[in-house]
Amino acid sequence: DSGVTQTPKHLITATGQRVTLRCSPRSGDLSVYWYQQSLDQGLQFLIQYYNGEERAKGNILERFSAQQFPDLHSELNLSSLELGDSALYFCASSVDQRYTDTQYFGPGTRLTVL
Amino acid sequence: AQSVAQPEDQVNVAEGNPLTVKCTYSVSGNPYLFWYVQYPNRGLQFLLKYITGDNLVKGSYGFEAEFNKSQTSFHLKKPSALVSDSALYFCAVRDRATDSWGKLQFGAGTQVVVTP
Repeated sequence: DSGVTQTPKHLITATGQRVTLRCSPRSGDLSVYWYQQSLDQGLQFLIQYYNGEERAKGNILERFSAQQFPDLHSELNLSSLELGDSALYFCASSVDQRYTDTQYFGPGTRLTVL
Repeated sequence: AQSVAQPEDQVNVAEGNPLTVKCTYSVSGNPYLFWYVQYPNRGLQFLLKYITGDNLVKGSYGFEAEFNKSQTSFHLKKPSALVSDSALYFCAVRDRATDSWGKLQFGAGTQVVVTP
């Protein structure tokens, strides 16, 4: 158990809908990262937050947004969902934002868009 | 340009034999290299990382990895594989030369199958 929690574990929804994925980092970790894992794209970095501020953006669609709250938990919002958004979404956290910091991953949320 | 390459989609090894999972990287500056393992329906578990110093890095569950700068490789090794080592292994790199603070760039993954 990494100490990173994600809810829900599974999510099934329809095209066009909006969902929110939640992540609680390890106690004391300030950085939160979101990744998407799909069969065709592999593991892709989406976005990073550090102590409530956005720090880096990766291959994140405009339909997707995220935020980190004062208690350091983070939410990833996915809207106007398409079939291709079906994937495993991981949250990771690290103590700081140094290049040497280890990222610890949560168990993931499996999103299925029908 | 791809930053991390895992040339083998799958590695098959008999239990008790040595296990090697290959990884090569391409970054502009000094690389920070990581190995993770993913079991079915689970998240990624951190195994080990190379930051600087000794080229041989020891990690969790008896795994180690050797950093080779001249060959730009970071192969994962285990002297004696267990059936329970069967999983998907990912190599990842952080590149200080990019403008992305925390981004981990992952390889495509290598499926390890250990047979009894």
